[in-house]
Amino acid sequence: DAMVIQNPRYQVTQFGKPVTLSCSQTLNHNVMYWYQQKSSQAPKLLFHYYDKDFNNEADTPDNFQSRRPNTSFCFLDIRSPGLGDAAMYLCATTRGPGYGYTFGSGTRLTVV
Amino acid sequence: QQQVKQSPQSLIVQKGGISIINCAYENTAFDYFPWYQQFPGKGPALLIAIRPDVSEKKEGRFTISFNKSAKQFSLHIMDSQPGDSATYFCAARRWGEETSGSRLTFGEGTQLTVNP
Repeated sequence: DAMVIQNPRYQVTQFGKPVTLSCSQTLNHNVMYWYQQKSSQAPKLLFHYYDKDFNNEADTPDNFQSRRPNTSFCFLDIRSPGLGDAAMYLCATTRGPGYGYTFGSGTRLTVV
Repeated sequence: QQQVKQSPQSLIVQKGGISIINCAYENTAFDYFPWYQQFPGKGPALLIAIRPDVSEKKEGRFTISFNKSAKQFSLHIMDSQPGDSATYFCAARRWGEETSGSRLTFGEGTQLTVNP
């Protein structure tokens, strides 16, 4: 049973054209994270939500935005994708303090 | 600042051998140390995790060894199989406190190849 679902699995967008990636979870977890992972690198945290409280990493570009309309869904918006934004984008959730993370399968973003 | 250093970057092991991946951390506030396994095109999956009140944790063929004084921990994969070929990430987090300062900090990753 899929628990953290990311759509689409693969996304191709044009340079500068806004794109939205989505994540949904059936776990009712309080905390949701967005990570960026480039080839052969560790995942890099972009932002996270603790319930509705949004936490932005200091080095996350302004080009990246996020929305969490309810507990189950979280969106990553890239306003003007550049070639350097091509990566795997991972969503993760956790129930909160004392629990591990569950990752989705990721969305592979290609910028052409 | 890289707070979790992982080595080696890549590892090749024969089937049936022992795979050992090492990590060292700097932040003494870390008190939860998971290992993640990632196959190509998939998200990381939690493999095994340890807290520093124990020095070793074993789950099947996977063992974490933890040395609090040295601020090091390692993953041992016994009887390595070709199906274990994947990228392994160690990580660290301040357990039990969900603040903006307690996200997972990942190591750089180790690409493990187990030859048949």
